[in-house]
Formats: sequence, structure tokens, C-alpha cells
Amino acid sequence: SQKIEQNSEALNIQEGKTATLTCNYTNYSPAYLQWYRQDPGRGPVFLLLIRENEKEKRKERLKVTFDTTLKQSLFHITASQPADSATYLCALVSGTYKYIFGTGTRLKVLA
Amino acid sequence: SQTIHQWPATLVQPVGSPLSLECTVEGTSNPNLYWYRQAAGRGLQLLFYSVGIGQISSEVPQNLSASRPQDRQFILSSKKLLLSDSGFYLCAWSVLADTQYFGPGTRLTVL
Repeated sequence: SQKIEQNSEALNIQEGKTATLTCNYTNYSPAYLQWYRQDPGRGPVFLLLIRENEKEKRKERLKVTFDTTLKQSLFHITASQPADSATYLCALVSGTYKYIFGTGTRLKVLA
Repeated sequence: SQTIHQWPATLVQPVGSPLSLECTVEGTSNPNLYWYRQAAGRGLQLLFYSVGIGQISSEVPQNLSASRPQDRQFILSSKKLLLSDSGFYLCAWSVLADTQYFGPGTRLTVL
């Protein structure tokens, strides 16, 4: 069955550094992959979508890469700030309607 | 603009009692609708999704059920709650297989 793994359950980094989160998937070849942010007690919020024919996507301080050979996506936050502290989830779409989410990486940016 | 509502925000129920959680979407037509459950510190587990009125797909066999009586209304129900039903329940909508938009969630505690 399709599976998504986010390697780090938690990641602490110093303010101003670049945070890099990893998402690996198996038994699937998704057309695209998404990243969401979730704050405690809230629903996830969409951040970025990257398609299989795109190697990299940027939005402000965020950058996502997608390597279909390695079956991996990397999510980068540059010049990280304490306000970036949250849980980040990756998701892929299986078939037309079904989303599969990773377990998330809890990022804490230290001031 | 589109908005999604869920209620109640929190709920404490005894084991064996019934459950009804409601989700409504405004500002869009014929959305795909989803119910997820998130256990403490865990990822999102897809429970049900619906691509139209009366069309429900179940992902996990359990004592929960879902219904879609109207285009923008999605209801999660149970006849008898179990302790293991405790969690954070999230409703989401999307158009086709694009971005998912999540509601504020319902925190359910079964005692």
C-alpha cells in the first residue's frame, strides 16, 4: 500500500538558519505532492504544491523540491523565524480524490 | 470567498453514546468533502470522502459512518462511541484533487 514517511518527528533549529524537512513515499508515483502547515489545535493550512514535472517550487521563504527517482520531497524554510514553529505535513493524492498524509515534522525555531 | 464550518468545537461523550459531527461549506459548489481523524501526536487518518450527494467512500472499517444529505453538508456519526474514537476530527473540502481546505476541527474525548 502507499506510504508516506516524514523522517524527523521533531526538528529544532536556531533562528535565521534554514530548516529542511524530508518526505519520502513508497509504492506510488504521484502526479504531485503538497505541503501543509498545522498549528496546535488547528486544521492544516496549504502551503505549496509541486508537480512531478517540476523539480523546484518557491514561495517567499519556502522552497520545495521533488525527486521522483528518489521518491522524495524536501521542504526548506530559509531565514527561519520563531513564528515558523509548527508541524509540517506532506501529502500526496492517490487516484483522483484520496489524499494520504505523512505523520508530520514538528519544527521549533529557537530565538 | 469560501468558508468551512465545523461544530461542535469540543465534545466530551461517554462510551456507548451516539455521535453526530457536522460540517458545512460555503462559497463553492459540488466540492469533494472529507472527514479525517488525528490522534494525539499522530498524522491525519482519512475516514470518509464524498464526491457528491449520497456518495460516500469509507477508508477505514469501524463504528463510524458518514452522510452527505446536501451538496455542502457532511455529517459524521456513530451509534455507539468507543474509547478509541477519541481524537481531533477534521473536515476538509477540495475541488477536483487540488488543495484541501480544512475546518477548525472538533476535539472529541470519549470517557
